[in-house]
Amino acid sequence: DTAVSQTPKYLVTQMGNDKSIKCEQNLGHDTMYWYKQDSKKFLKIMFSYNNKELIINETVPNRFSPKSPDKAHLNLHINSLELGDSAVYFCASSQTLRVGETQYFGPGTRLLVL
Amino acid sequence: EDQVTQSPEALRLQEGESSSLNCSYTVSGLRGLFWYRQDPGKGPEFLFTLYSAGEEKEKERLKATLTKKESFLHITAPKPEDSATYLCAVQASVPPGSEKLVFGKGTKLTVNP
Repeated sequence: DTAVSQTPKYLVTQMGNDKSIKCEQNLGHDTMYWYKQDSKKFLKIMFSYNNKELIINETVPNRFSPKSPDKAHLNLHINSLELGDSAVYFCASSQTLRVGETQYFGPGTRLLVL
Repeated sequence: EDQVTQSPEALRLQEGESSSLNCSYTVSGLRGLFWYRQDPGKGPEFLFTLYSAGEEKEKERLKATLTKKESFLHITAPKPEDSATYLCAVQASVPPGSEKLVFGKGTKLTVNP
């Protein structure tokens, strides 16, 4: 029973392409997040959504657009991919937006832009 | 700005050799300090949450402690399966957006048999 799942696991694409990463959680949580882990393994918040509403947009280029069709799904669409977008993208979820709630992470999507 | 510094960056231990990992933080009102374990090619796996100075949590060979400026993850008699990167993260009390986790760079632990 996968709690937070992401597809695809690996994504290799050319510069300038548009791609999407999907995330689903079956925990019944209200809040979902996207994090980026760069080559130095530094994990940094990108977005958070609560009940399909955008809460955090952490100065991410507007080529990145999250979409939440329902509270169990948070997808990430990236336009005009650049070399610097190569990273591992993690989706996470928490029961609520309350500070102190545990965030549970998915397995990650490894994006390589050539 | 909230900051988290973890040390050492890498640690090699022999099986059974106990040690501690450090997480120093600067945050405007700590609401929670989280420890995660990350195996290669996997997502972070939740270990502990600490909320206030003096608090301690234990799980098997791991024990996390918290002071007003830092947290320690003590590993007692580690086994090779404890090898992983251990991540520390904090949440601040200033809304909005305080629900985000601010991570350190992690400590890569290797336990040799």
